[in-house]
Amino acid sequence: DTAVSQTPKYLVTQMGNDKSIKCEQNLGHDTMYWYKQDSKKFLKIMFSYNNKELIINETVPNRFSPKSPDKAHLNLHINSLELGDSAVYFCASSQGFVDTQYFGPGTRLTVL
Amino acid sequence: ILNVEQSPQSLHVQEGDSTNFTCSFPSSNFYALHWYRWETAKSPEALFVMTLNGDEKKKGRISATLNTKEGYSYLYIKGSQPEDSATYLCALHAGGTSYGKLTFGQGTILTVHP
Repeated sequence: DTAVSQTPKYLVTQMGNDKSIKCEQNLGHDTMYWYKQDSKKFLKIMFSYNNKELIINETVPNRFSPKSPDKAHLNLHINSLELGDSAVYFCASSQGFVDTQYFGPGTRLTVL
Repeated sequence: ILNVEQSPQSLHVQEGDSTNFTCSFPSSNFYALHWYRWETAKSPEALFVMTLNGDEKKKGRISATLNTKEGYSYLYIKGSQPEDSATYLCALHAGGTSYGKLTFGQGTILTVHP
């Protein structure tokens, strides 16, 4: 049973395209996150949602739009993809903000 | 911007050696300190969440301590095994304008040689 799952695992696309990454958690957690692993391998928070409400938007370009249809899902839609968007994106969930975060397997996005 | 620093950046040890590494963080507005283990091609896996000054946590051969007054945490691995090879990340959860998000350090890459 996968606790936090992401699809797709790999995504290769052309500059200018629009794409989505899906995330689902079956842990019953209230809080979900999107992280970007940058070129220096740092994990940086992008967004967090609590009970479908946006809590943190960490100065991410507005080409990135998270959507939480319900507590168990947090999808990431990216418009007009740029070369610099190439990275590994991780979804995570936790019960509360201070609690342990459980990470998905990551989605490697390559923009050509 | 919160600065979470880990040292050393990388470490090579022999099987059976004990080792430790450090996470330094600003001590003001402290909420919690997380440790994660991240194996190549996998996702980060939680080891500990520590909230109180003087906390000590243990999981098998791995243990951690926390000093919130001076802003550091140590992670210890006793009798390292090749399967302990991974990147060890610490992450700070602070209050104030940083509440609700983890700020990660750059990690310590541990390689255990058989």
